[in-house]
Amino acid sequence: GENVEQHPSTLSVQEGDSAVIKCTYSDSASNYFPWYKQELGKRPQLIIDIRSNVGEKKDQRIAVTLNKTAKHFSLHITETQPEDSAVYFCAARDPSLGTASKLTFGTGTRLQVTL
Amino acid sequence: DVKVTQSSRYLVKRTGEKVFLECVQDMDHENMFWYRQDPGLGLRLIYFSYDVKMKEKGDIPEGYSVSREKKERFSLILESASTNQTSMYLCASSPGAGAGYTFGSGTRLTVV
Repeated sequence: GENVEQHPSTLSVQEGDSAVIKCTYSDSASNYFPWYKQELGKRPQLIIDIRSNVGEKKDQRIAVTLNKTAKHFSLHITETQPEDSAVYFCAARDPSLGTASKLTFGTGTRLQVTL
Repeated sequence: DVKVTQSSRYLVKRTGEKVFLECVQDMDHENMFWYRQDPGLGLRLIYFSYDVKMKEKGDIPEGYSVSREKKERFSLILESASTNQTSMYLCASSPGAGAGYTFGSGTRLTVV
């Protein structure tokens, strides 16, 4: 099955700086890569996703890049703000189940944005 | 607004009890999932279902079972609760391939 590794496990940045979280996946057939943000005490929420036919996607201050050859994808947050503080999870879709959409998650990155 | 509702936010159960965690979605999604979340381990898949009455084991199914009698409801059952099943349990649903999940708010289960 799919295996997803995520680094770093914790990340502290100053407000206004950029943050980058990196993930690698094992199955070259994986074709969908979402990112989730989980604030303290809340449910994970989808913030951005990318499909394997696209190399980069942006949404305001966040962007995701995908390198299929190297089997890694990254989340980039620019001009960080205190409300960006949360745990971020990457995931990859296991393609072995046809139309079912099972995701394998990374272990999470705790991002802290300091003033 | 789409919703995934988990019946309990907090539960405390005794070792050996049979525990039912309920999850209901109102989005007519085909796929439903149960994950547990533990510090440093991320989200680990317990069971999932891609259709009514269908179920598939995830990565850590031991000690758990599931039931999906109706499309909107997916139940997680701990047959005989043990202290190592103390965790946050997250239910999620998805319409299908290439789509993200909508998560429920989670159930924090403590087994004493």
